[in-house]
Amino acid sequence: QAVVTQEPSLTVSPGGTVTLTCGSSTGAVTSGHYPYWFQQKPGQAPRTMIYETSKKHSWTPARFSGSRLGGKAALTLSGAQPEDEAEYYCLLFYSYAGVFGGGTKLTVL
Amino acid sequence: EVQLVESGGGLVQPGGSLRLSCAASGFTVSSNYMSWVRQAPGKGLEWVSGIYSGGSTYYADSVKGRFTISRDNSKNTLFLQMNSLRGEDTAVYYCAGGHFDHWGQGTLVTVSS
Repeated sequence: QAVVTQEPSLTVSPGGTVTLTCGSSTGAVTSGHYPYWFQQKPGQAPRTMIYETSKKHSWTPARFSGSRLGGKAALTLSGAQPEDEAEYYCLLFYSYAGVFGGGTKLTVL
Repeated sequence: EVQLVESGGGLVQPGGSLRLSCAASGFTVSSNYMSWVRQAPGKGLEWVSGIYSGGSTYYADSVKGRFTISRDNSKNTLFLQMNSLRGEDTAVYYCAGGHFDHWGQGTLVTVSS
């Protein structure tokens, strides 16, 4: 089974910009992996922020954007807010089976 | 408003079985991709299984051969039959619908003697 890698932790200043990445042990992340990004706060269910690399839901704040960068999927937060402090998980699909990354704990400080 | 409500979790001995349910409202299970995702205490998310609207099913290697995903279209409900349970299956199990647009609140499964 493939391994999906994320930064364990990142810190961003309020109003700052940060990029979280999601890599695959099998090589470059492509659109065929259908990258997802989820936000999870303590005691809550996850919430989808980005799907299929860069698509947003109606509830996704404009400051969040998804892309592919250097062979990885990327989630960029521009203008971080205190409420963005959370755990972020990426999910990639390999022949219809999903694999989550280990998560990135994002601190807004 | 879409609601997904999981049930069926609880304490089970190693080697035992449990069936989880995910009842949907405001949302049609049979017309959408549905999945189960779990989270062990203090750990990250793990994709467990998914079922497409056409009925194709897929599983994580860690549960293949032990877990079965299914749905009852008449009840608009998703199921996860879990057999041969192990300690490492202890987790909160979430159902998610429509390519993860909607999530339930989760149900806790504890595998312990």
